[in-house]
Amino acid sequence: GENVEQHPSTLSVQEGDSAVIKCTYSDSASNYFPWYKQELGKRPQLIIDIRSNVGEKKDQRIAVTLNKTAKHFSLHITETQPEDSAVYFCAASSTSGTYKYIFGTGTRLKVLA
Amino acid sequence: NAGVTQTPKFRILKIGQSMTLQCAQDMNHNYMYWYRQDPGMGLKLIYYSVGAGITDKGEVPNGYNVSRSTTEDFPLRLELAAPSQTSVYFCASSYSKVDGYTFGSGTRLTVV
Repeated sequence: GENVEQHPSTLSVQEGDSAVIKCTYSDSASNYFPWYKQELGKRPQLIIDIRSNVGEKKDQRIAVTLNKTAKHFSLHITETQPEDSAVYFCAASSTSGTYKYIFGTGTRLKVLA
Repeated sequence: NAGVTQTPKFRILKIGQSMTLQCAQDMNHNYMYWYRQDPGMGLKLIYYSVGAGITDKGEVPNGYNVSRSTTEDFPLRLELAAPSQTSVYFCASSYSKVDGYTFGSGTRLTVV
């Protein structure tokens, strides 16, 4: 069945460095790609999303890029800060067919001060 | 605008007991979902609903039931609680199946 692979599972960066998390999806009909941030003990929260008609989207220090040919999308966080430490989940969804909103397995990001 | 409201926040159940986790949203979202998240793990879909009166199973529905009599409410029923159901339960809603989710604050359930 369809799935979303997310890498790496853990990532440690020095404060001020950049972090990149990559997801690969299998369903070529997927056309919506959100990213969620989950701080320890909290609910997941949507931080940025991209649709298939766009190749890149930025919001201050975070950006998402999409490569539909290769079926992968990535989250980029620049100038990382300690408050960026969290688990990040990607997901892929499609308007076609039955409901399919598939989450990746998560990346635990640690920003070292 | 409260978003997605879940109750209770915490609960301890004994094996074999039953309970209902409540979820309500005030955003007029058609889509609602129940996920469970085991410690250090990802999100597993239990049940979802695409509108009032319509529900469907996710990847881990066994031991649970849902109903959707109104657009706002989507309760999750646990029958005959088992230790394997110890988890954090999140309710979420979205405008469509290709929109971001709004999650509730979660219910931390322990079955002993």
